[in-house]
Amino acid sequence: GENVEQHPSTLSVQEGDSAVIKCTYSDSASNYFPWYKQELGKGPQLIIDIRSNVGEKKDQRIAVTLNKTAKHFSLHITETQPEDSAVYFCAGGKSGASKLTFGTGTRLQVTL
Amino acid sequence: EAQVTQNPRYLITVTGKKLTVTCSQNMNHEYMSWYRQDPGLGLRQIYYSMNVEVTDKGDVPEGYKVSRKEKRNFPLILESPSPNQTSLYFCASSLSRGSTEAFFGQGTRLTVV
Repeated sequence: GENVEQHPSTLSVQEGDSAVIKCTYSDSASNYFPWYKQELGKGPQLIIDIRSNVGEKKDQRIAVTLNKTAKHFSLHITETQPEDSAVYFCAGGKSGASKLTFGTGTRLQVTL
Repeated sequence: EAQVTQNPRYLITVTGKKLTVTCSQNMNHEYMSWYRQDPGLGLRQIYYSMNVEVTDKGDVPEGYKVSRKEKRNFPLILESPSPNQTSLYFCASSLSRGSTEAFFGQGTRLTVV
């Protein structure tokens, strides 16, 4: 089955700096990679996703890149703000399949 | 407002006492699933359902049961809870199993003593 590894487990950046979180996956058949943000006391919320037919996707300050050959994908947050502080999860799976495999999460702390 | 509602939010129970965590969605979604979240392990799928009366095991189904008698509800049942089932539980739903966006509930923090 799929195995998704996520690094780092914690990340502290200063406000305005960029943050990068990296994930690797094992199943070359996986073609769907979402990222979720979980704020304290809440459930995960989808913030961006990418499919294997594209290499990069952007949404304002958030971007995701995918390298199918190396089987890794990354989340990039630019101009970080305190409200970006949360736990971020990557996940991988196949479109039309029944489950996603999640990474172990990255706790991002944006300091003033 | 589109949402997934779990109840209760917090629960402390004793070993062996049967409990049910309810999950309801108001989006007419076909696909629903349960996850547990543990420190250092991320989210692991317990059970999922692709439609009414269709359920299947996820990665960690032992000690859990589910049912899907109605499209909107997907309760998680622990027949005989044990301390290793102390965890944070999330219900999620999506339009169909191939949909890109999964909506998560607020979570249920369960403690089994």
